[in-house]
Amino acid sequence: DVKVTQSSRYLVKRTGEKVFLECVQDMDHENMFWYRQDPGLGLRLIYFSYDVKMKEKGDIPEGYSVSREKKERFSLILESASTNQTSMYLCASSFEEGRGYTFGSGTRLTVV
Amino acid sequence: QKEVEQNSGPLSVPEGAIASLNCTYSDRVSQSFFWYRQYSGKSPELIMSIYSNGDKEDGRFTAQLNKASQYVSLLIRDSQPSDSATYLCAVVLTGGGNKLTFGTGTQLKVEL
Repeated sequence: DVKVTQSSRYLVKRTGEKVFLECVQDMDHENMFWYRQDPGLGLRLIYFSYDVKMKEKGDIPEGYSVSREKKERFSLILESASTNQTSMYLCASSFEEGRGYTFGSGTRLTVV
Repeated sequence: QKEVEQNSGPLSVPEGAIASLNCTYSDRVSQSFFWYRQYSGKSPELIMSIYSNGDKEDGRFTAQLNKASQYVSLLIRDSQPSDSATYLCAVVLTGGGNKLTFGTGTQLKVEL
């Protein structure tokens, strides 16, 4: 089974801090994604990547950046954390276009 | 109109009954459709994918796709309390490449 590992299950950060969320997949998938999930709003795409060093903005990229230096690792960066970025962050990967994702276990981030 | 719509529920069914979950989507040309199950506090888990009109069965789950009417549904036969979760519909929209667009999910409660 594909495994997608997110480094932290819970994080508490202060407003203004730079926050790194790490995601690693072990099945050589080309495609990786970062979503946030909020009650009533569902899953919203922040950024995605189809290849190493490649990134594309999703629906809500403001306040975020990403890094993909190696195929297996896709990092989400909150440049200056704000309270409205308190959310569940989900990383996912997939093998090919049109196929479903495998999600990591999620990181619940609280910004105080 | 939202791109992918689901009734938020909760949908309550008695144990042993058939649960019927529905999803409509806006893009006539979409080709790939998925159902995810998400337990409270956990990440989404892929349970069904469907690409062609008609029914696809996997154990107690049946996905039904009607592209002309732009809806996809999930039937769960012999519902069990362990099926209580939120079910997310996801669609690859035209021009979306490998990106999934999610509905906000339907909460299912299976009662003893």
